[in-house]
Amino acid sequence: DQQVKQNSPSLSVQEGRISILNCDYTNSMFDYFLWYKKYPAEGPTFLISISSIKDKNEDGRFTVFLNKSAKHLSLHIVPSQPGDSAVYFCAAATSGSARQLTFGSGTQLTVLP
Amino acid sequence: NAGVMQNPRHLVRRRGQEARLRCSPMKGHSHVYWYRQLPEEGLKFMVYLQKENIIDESGMPKERFSAEFPKEGPSILRIQQVVRGDSAAYFCASSPRTGGGNQPQHFGDGTRLSIL
Repeated sequence: DQQVKQNSPSLSVQEGRISILNCDYTNSMFDYFLWYKKYPAEGPTFLISISSIKDKNEDGRFTVFLNKSAKHLSLHIVPSQPGDSAVYFCAAATSGSARQLTFGSGTQLTVLP
Repeated sequence: NAGVMQNPRHLVRRRGQEARLRCSPMKGHSHVYWYRQLPEEGLKFMVYLQKENIIDESGMPKERFSAEFPKEGPSILRIQQVVRGDSAAYFCASSPRTGGGNQPQHFGDGTRLSIL
């Protein structure tokens, strides 16, 4: 039972344009959400997070949007750069679960120069 | 990668041998988590530890797998009598002691375990 789903295994975007990565979840107890970026042969790198009390969090080129009623979050990267090419993982946690993260299966983003 | 150190980076074992994976958390971090990633999948939670305590091991297989985080030294994930299905990337993450609120976990670069 996949509680966090990333339905697009891959996404290609032109350099300078916006990249939108999507994530859906089924567990209504999740109240903390994170995005990680992962390059081959490296560990995931934390990008940005959002608590369920917010619907938007912004950090530089990265913005995460949370729609609790739809159980959906998205990561916007603008402008996209070739160095953003990586696998992006969405993750979720509940405050009372000792903070174990539940990950989606990832989306491979390719930014074309 | 964010100061979490894992070793070895690559480990090859034959079926039936033991595998030991080590993780040193970031300085100042007292919470350690282990995750496993199979090919083409996301990371799956295995166990959450604090110094000398296992807090949550709900993701650990019931047999052959164990984890510890001693008072001194790194956290160890031990897999006894390895089988081919144990081949995966094992990631360790750490986070600081928190007085409240959420803190992101920071990951090491993983150990790639291959079973011959």
